[in-house]
Amino acid sequence: AQSVSQHNHHVILSEAASLELGCNYSYGGTVNLFWYVQYPGQHLQLLLKYFSGDPLVKGIKGFEAEFIKSKFSFNLRKPSVQWSDTAEYFCAVNGVGDSNDYKLSFGAGTTVTVRA
Amino acid sequence: ETGVTQTPRHLVMGMTNKKSLKCEQHLGHNAMYWYKQSAKKPLELMFVYNFKEQTENNSVPSRFSPECPNSSHLFLHLHTLQPEDSALYLCASSQDEGTLREQFFGPGTRLTVL
Repeated sequence: AQSVSQHNHHVILSEAASLELGCNYSYGGTVNLFWYVQYPGQHLQLLLKYFSGDPLVKGIKGFEAEFIKSKFSFNLRKPSVQWSDTAEYFCAVNGVGDSNDYKLSFGAGTTVTVRA
Repeated sequence: ETGVTQTPRHLVMGMTNKKSLKCEQHLGHNAMYWYKQSAKKPLELMFVYNFKEQTENNSVPSRFSPECPNSSHLFLHLHTLQPEDSALYLCASSQDEGTLREQFFGPGTRLTVL
């Protein structure tokens, strides 16, 4: 079974600052990786996903994430945040070929607060 | 709007009540999921249905009872809950159980058990 660790519980930053959220997973095999975002009062929605190919993945709203296999990491980045990026961010992973490979394992989430 | 709706959005119930949560997906998907989201904890997968058949019961107490009458609808029947069951209950759907299928989430039902 896989587990996901998100390093930051709560991040507070100012508009135009750069954002990087850490995500590490524990699973020895091939993985699919996801970042979901939950804006205040809204449903979870997909920011970006990695299945294979280029380890640098670009998502919606200017977000990107880099899969570093040797570090079991999938960190999320945005060069310049906006107030509207205030939300909770969840990293998720599922192991390909695992008997439970349909299961998404989620991290505990990182709350991002952007101050105007 | 992701095409997954949940009702009610908020529910307050006593420990002796019986209530049901409803989820409907308009995406033509074949797999549906129930998750429990508690504050500062990872989402917990509760149940999985694929083509209306339950394929996963993640050690969930029997006071939670799922029902999937067709591929578009999923219910979670609640009975004799405990205060620690208070949480946000999320429904999700995907094309099927396959590994390449991303899950689409509903807005959730905020449940408070008194």
